Amino acid sequence: QVQLVQSGAEVKKPGASVKVSCKASGYTFTSYGISWVRQAPGQGLEWMGWISAYNGNTNYAQKLQGRVTMTTDTSTSTAYMELRSLRSDDTAVYYCARAQLDYWGQGTLVTVSS
Amino acid sequence: QSALTQPASVSGSPGQSITISCTGTSSDVGGYNYVSWYQQHPGKAPKLMIYEVSNRPSGVSNRFSGSKSGNTASLTISGLQAEDEADYYCSSYTSSSNYVFGTGTKVTVL
Repeated sequence: QVQLVQSGAEVKKPGASVKVSCKASGYTFTSYGISWVRQAPGQGLEWMGWISAYNGNTNYAQKLQGRVTMTTDTSTSTAYMELRSLRSDDTAVYYCARAQLDYWGQGTLVTVSS
Repeated sequence: QSALTQPASVSGSPGQSITISCTGTSSDVGGYNYVSWYQQHPGKAPKLMIYEVSNRPSGVSNRFSGSKSGNTASLTISGLQAEDEADYYCSSYTSSSNYVFGTGTKVTVL
């Protein structure tokens, strides 16, 4: 069965960077892209961007351009999302999801606090 | 890209039917048949309930159905059950090759 397993919770200081991983199994990794979505506490879902696991092409949400980088490692079927220059309003649960958001990871809580 | 507009809350009694709307523009909901609906219970990841406007993934109850008219998509839950109490979000592909989510609707089973 399709599974996306994410890395554990992180606590970061303002200005730092965080890198969240998402290991896929149960399907051919390079046949689908990976999307990243975040959810601030008590808030709705926000689409962050997408990466093709086939060729590495990316499409980022405009508000995150310049601060976010999405990559994949096809040898381990793992996707990564790095967010830099963290601010307190980046505190959220970060989810990876397959392609058109049909299967989701369990989420990774990133807390930004001084 | 502005979030799609959903009602903040919808409620119904067990057995009743409820409908949640999701209003966008011709650049998202109205322009593409790539509208999806997600159910999210507290502390859990979203779960895909409807994709491409009206298709149900395997394993999703046929009590859930989707439709679209113009720039507004809708999710109907028939035969409401206690387990349906959750937050529901719509999403749509957009003309910017992005995805946009709705504002979210809290469904309460009375």
